[in-house]
Amino acid sequence: EVQLVDSGGGLVQPGGSLRLSCAASGFTFSSSRMSWVRQAPGKGLEWVASIKEDGSQKYYVDSVKGRFTISRDNTKNSLFLQMNSLTAEDTALYYCARGWMQPGSWGQGTLVTVSS
Amino acid sequence: DVVMTQSPLSLSVTLGQPASISCRSSQSLVFSDGDTYLNWFQQRPGQSPRRLIYKVSNRDSGVPDRFSGSGSGTDFTLKISRVEAEDVGVYYCMQGTHWPRTFGQGTKVEIK
Repeated sequence: EVQLVDSGGGLVQPGGSLRLSCAASGFTFSSSRMSWVRQAPGKGLEWVASIKEDGSQKYYVDSVKGRFTISRDNTKNSLFLQMNSLTAEDTALYYCARGWMQPGSWGQGTLVTVSS
Repeated sequence: DVVMTQSPLSLSVTLGQPASISCRSSQSLVFSDGDTYLNWFQQRPGQSPRRLIYKVSNRDSGVPDRFSGSGSGTDFTLKISRVEAEDVGVYYCMQGTHWPRTFGQGTKVEIK
């Protein structure tokens, strides 16, 4: 069974940093493209970033370019999102998802709250 | 960026009646491989999104056959042939052809 477990969220002050993790199991992680998608409270879904199987290609939504970095560790079946210079607009539930053209499996989400 | 426009944004449906959601993209979603990467997701209250349909009309495993997707190019539709209580939630279309990936605003489906 495919399982994605998101973690690392929390309360952080504006300008602060946070690193999200996604632990994958039940599929060949090293052969899967992966993505992060977020959802602000009461709002719709917003794609954030994606990464190729080997990490050689990464894509970001404009609003996080230069601040967020997506990465992966295929030896540990893990996906990461390093988030720096956080603002209130980054407050959201962050989901990892398997795939980047048709994300088919999603984690449960981890909540990031940016507030002083 | 490709803009995905859904309509209606909310839908109140009688149990057992059909429902239809439209999704229009600002550019063609045909990829260089010839496929069209248009997905539909269901998000029930308090749950993570669940993919229902991929590549316009392919239903995911375990998705009831009352859900169907159709369309081409820039114009797509999700249909529920007979709405059931468990279909309550928000439905999103998403394009996976162009960067950045983009979602529609979401359509909230409730029971009348």
